[in-house]
Amino acid sequence: GESVGLHLPTLSVQEGDNSIINCAYSNSASDYFIWYKQESGKGPQFIIDIRSNMDKRQGQRVTVLLNKTVKHLSLQIAATQPGDSAVYFCAENNFGNEKLTFGTGTRLTIIP
Amino acid sequence: GAGVSQSPRYKVAKRGQDVALRCDPISGHVSLFWYQQALGQGPEFLTYFQNEAQLDKSGLPSDRFFAERPEGSVSTLKIQRTQQEDSAVYLCASSPTTVTDTQYFGPGTRLTVL
Repeated sequence: GESVGLHLPTLSVQEGDNSIINCAYSNSASDYFIWYKQESGKGPQFIIDIRSNMDKRQGQRVTVLLNKTVKHLSLQIAATQPGDSAVYFCAENNFGNEKLTFGTGTRLTIIP
Repeated sequence: GAGVSQSPRYKVAKRGQDVALRCDPISGHVSLFWYQQALGQGPEFLTYFQNEAQLDKSGLPSDRFFAERPEGSVSTLKIQRTQQEDSAVYLCASSPTTVTDTQYFGPGTRLTVL
């Protein structure tokens, strides 16, 4: 079936640097994408979302970029902090199909 | 305000026992979802409710899994005759509307079947 995948399972970044987490999706009908952060022992925490009619969306220290041509999604975190260390998931769904499809996640480690 | 809450947070069951996992969604949220998360994996969809109606149960692994939301608020996921492969974190999420919208997750229930 359709799935969402991630390019890198782990990523280490120096504190204060910017990080980029990538995600590829295969369902061309997907029109809504979300990034979640999951810390150990906790549920996924919403970070930012983007709909397919947009290419870019910015939040506080985070930016999501969507390239529908190559079905690629990325999450940029600016000026990383130790609290950013977690597993990051991208998820997608499409209108009329309410369930989210998640990738396997990228573990981000911030090096002090 | 209060987020999604789940209980118990941890559950240990002997193989063959029945378990019931509870989810309290954010007040007023119409949609409620259950996901299963295996160790080191992303969450996988189990079932979806819109108010009290179960609109999609395509992700339930077997007929041993049953979910209900009788009054359109609290939901219970029941697993009968638990097996070791049922060991996972069970996540509940709710969203405010009936269309594609942000899903807010609870902390999950970690189920271990011995």
